[in-house]
Amino acid sequence: AQSVTQPDIHITVSEGASLELRCNYSYGATPYLFWYVQSPGQGLQLLLKYFSGDTLVQGIKGFEAEFKRSQSSFNLRKPSVHWSDAAEYFCAGLDQTGANNLFFGTGTRLTVIP
Amino acid sequence: EAGVAQSPRYKIIEKRQSVAFWCNPISGHATLYWYQQILGQGPKLLIQFQNNGVVDDSQLPKDRFSAERLKGVDSTLKIQPAKLEDSAVYLCASSPELAGGNEQFFGPGTRLTVL
Repeated sequence: AQSVTQPDIHITVSEGASLELRCNYSYGATPYLFWYVQSPGQGLQLLLKYFSGDTLVQGIKGFEAEFKRSQSSFNLRKPSVHWSDAAEYFCAGLDQTGANNLFFGTGTRLTVIP
Repeated sequence: EAGVAQSPRYKIIEKRQSVAFWCNPISGHATLYWYQQILGQGPKLLIQFQNNGVVDDSQLPKDRFSAERLKGVDSTLKIQPAKLEDSAVYLCASSPELAGGNEQFFGPGTRLTVL
């Protein structure tokens, strides 16, 4: 079955430090993968997506993600975290067996300390 | 460009009562989705519309949940009767066409508490 797993429920980083949020996928075919961010009281916003091609994907707000087939991973990174990055982050995959719907991981909550 | 609108933002009801949520997608978006997000979990798709037709409702608990999208624009999601386990945030999203690689744009959600 297709799935994405986010092993870290909660991560705390200092402002200005680098960030890496983990996402592992289980897919039969070439995966279509996404990262979304959800700020408190807000809907989800797309940060970036990977379909094919270059395995390093650039997104909005200074985020990037690297697709590694050998590790079945699609980790989200940011070189220097800002206090406004505190939010919930969701990895998602595209279900290619049916109506092309998204399935989400359980999320990682990011806390940024001054 | 206006985003996806949802109302109400918050709703508290007692179990066995009924409740309805409303969603207005981005203008011109043919595809509309309703997701349920239980605390501590990722969103789970309940139903997907393409214009006013249902594309996927395989995860919608049809004994108590119903949704419609009259005229292919606004949509309502109803729960009747509500159970305690229905407490969640209900997210509406829209995209220009059947998702595939297209971005889904999410509304702020309706937080439902069932007592």
